[in-house]
Amino acid sequence: DVKVTQSSRYLVKRTGEKVFLECVQDMDHENMFWYRQDPGLGLRLIYFSYDVKMKEKGDIPEGYSVSREKKERFSLILESASTNQTSMYLCASSLPGQGDYTFGSGTRLTVV
Amino acid sequence: QKEVEQNSGPLSVPEGAIASLNCTYSDRGSQSFFWYRQYSGKSPELIMFIYSNGDKEDGRFTAQLNKASQYVSLLIRDSQPSDSATYLCAVNNDKIIFGKGTRLHILP
Repeated sequence: DVKVTQSSRYLVKRTGEKVFLECVQDMDHENMFWYRQDPGLGLRLIYFSYDVKMKEKGDIPEGYSVSREKKERFSLILESASTNQTSMYLCASSLPGQGDYTFGSGTRLTVV
Repeated sequence: QKEVEQNSGPLSVPEGAIASLNCTYSDRGSQSFFWYRQYSGKSPELIMFIYSNGDKEDGRFTAQLNKASQYVSLLIRDSQPSDSATYLCAVNNDKIIFGKGTRLHILP
């Protein structure tokens, strides 16, 4: 069973803090993705990675960065958290060229 | 701009009836198509995928694809209250594009 594990289910952070969201998958998937999901806006792609050390900007990368030092781990970093980054963050992984993503359980981040 | 369009709903369907969920996409070069189900407060999970024109059946679920019309649909037969969820259509060309989802409510 493919598992994508996100380190926290709920997080509350203060404005200006640096925030790390961790995602680990155990199925040797090359592709990993970070999305945020907001009511009425659907899933929006923040960053993705097709290989270790590789990263590509998605549709809304501003205010975020990522790190992929190992194949199984893809971290999302909010450099200086702001209230408009309050959202549900979803990590996903897949094999190359495949659209059947496996999602983590999500991290609901609140920035106060 | 590649787009995937879905009616946001809510779509209300009586228990035991057929629920029909529709999706259109703009990129004619799209190769594969996916339906994800997302329960409230949970993450999306893949329930169906289809690559070729026509129908693909899996239990109570049927995915239908018409590439000429750029249209993909999901039929749920014998709808159950447990089918109440948001259904996301996703289209793959060189990148997955998700629709915003249709909320389905099965009325007991």
